[in-house]
Amino acid sequence: SQQGEEDPQALSIQEGENATMNCSYKTSINNLQWYRQNSGRGLVHLILIRSNEREKHSGRLRVTLDTSKKSSSLLITASRAADTASYFCATPISSGSARQLTFGSGTQLTVLP
Amino acid sequence: ETGVTQSPTHLIKTRGQQVTLRCSSQSGHNTVSWYQQALGQGPQFIFQYYREEENGRGNFPPRFSGLQFPNYSSELNVNALELDDSALYLCASSFKKSGSSQETQYFGPGTRLLVL
Repeated sequence: SQQGEEDPQALSIQEGENATMNCSYKTSINNLQWYRQNSGRGLVHLILIRSNEREKHSGRLRVTLDTSKKSSSLLITASRAADTASYFCATPISSGSARQLTFGSGTQLTVLP
Repeated sequence: ETGVTQSPTHLIKTRGQQVTLRCSSQSGHNTVSWYQQALGQGPQFIFQYYREEENGRGNFPPRFSGLQFPNYSSELNVNALELDDSALYLCASSFKKSGSSQETQYFGPGTRLLVL
């Protein structure tokens, strides 16, 4: 079963606008991560936010975490055509002595030039 | 670029055949995880290898097996291929200290497998 679910499933915006994606998860976590995937290729790690953090910034990315609502959001400011990709939130859970990442189905972001 | 490489990039097999996918970890990493990503879905955890042993497994049947070598590279083997095995297979490497958990995983570009 999937731990995280992203919303919306698809988002289309004009270049220069901001894009906001949301993620909800089910169980308690000690961190939440966001990844980007271009056209069915490998995932690129964007940012990790720990459970004791409420907000984190990295360049044009801003991530918030609300552990009481079990939700997170990813904001991309001043979007560019190159930001077109699928975005996934992921939470690590224990599987044996391994730490596996559980992913939602992702948000497909299209930035129109 | 993460430094994680996978081969081959694409592969076509027929139902019932066997396949081996390969992954080279990022330098300094000692843990490899494998994920299956069906079209339009997020990646699903298959298993993880640490110090050449499987130390965690997702909800996949025994016909999915793996190896990790002393240089921390890894193989994913799938026997008796089924049509539903068609997917993008991703490996991810990370560094795990004994007694602690690894957090960030770095993904390779994936191998796209098509089963006919």
